[in-house]
Amino acid sequence: DTAVSQTPKYLVTQMGNDKSIKCEQNLGHDTMYWYKQDSKKFLKIMFSYNNKELIINETVPNRFSPKSPDKAHLNLHINSLELGDSAVYFCASSHARQGNSPLHFGNGTRLTVT
Amino acid sequence: AQSVAQPEDQVNVAEGNPLTVKCTYSVSGNPYLFWYVQYPNRGLQFLLKYITGDNLVKGSYGFEAEFNKSQTSFHLKKPSALVSDSALYFCAAFYGQNFVFGPGTRLSVLP
Repeated sequence: DTAVSQTPKYLVTQMGNDKSIKCEQNLGHDTMYWYKQDSKKFLKIMFSYNNKELIINETVPNRFSPKSPDKAHLNLHINSLELGDSAVYFCASSHARQGNSPLHFGNGTRLTVT
Repeated sequence: AQSVAQPEDQVNVAEGNPLTVKCTYSVSGNPYLFWYVQYPNRGLQFLLKYITGDNLVKGSYGFEAEFNKSQTSFHLKKPSALVSDSALYFCAAFYGQNFVFGPGTRLSVLP
């Protein structure tokens, strides 16, 4: 059973398009995250939701909009894609109220904007 | 600002030799510290964590880490490296409601 699953695995699209990445976790965690990993492998937090409520919203363009229909799902919608959005996007989940709970990551979505 | 540093971009070690991947943190209070490993085309996988108690923490795949409060370090260690340990390793601190990651260290274990 896949604990944190995200789709699609690969996403190739042209500048200006709108795309979505979906994420689901079956671990019963209360908090979900989106991270961006750039070409140098740096990991940067983008958003965090706890029980469907936004708790972290780092400085990202407002073209990026997370949506959490329930606490098991956190989707990422990106409008007007730009070349600089090309990266690997990781979804993760944890029991954030318990700081000793590690993150569980999905396998990533590699976004390529041409 | 809270931060995690990994001073080495790359660590090379021969198979069978001990390995150390370094991590230092700058987080106020008592952070929770973690190590993750990333294999190619995969998400990060949890290796071990320090919350409180014994400064030497044991984790998955024979890895361990030593917490040193005075040096604000949390170095990852393994007594005998395997070629299959070759991967990207991330140190992280949980503080407030967020995980802060280091920049990663690429470990290459040479046969």
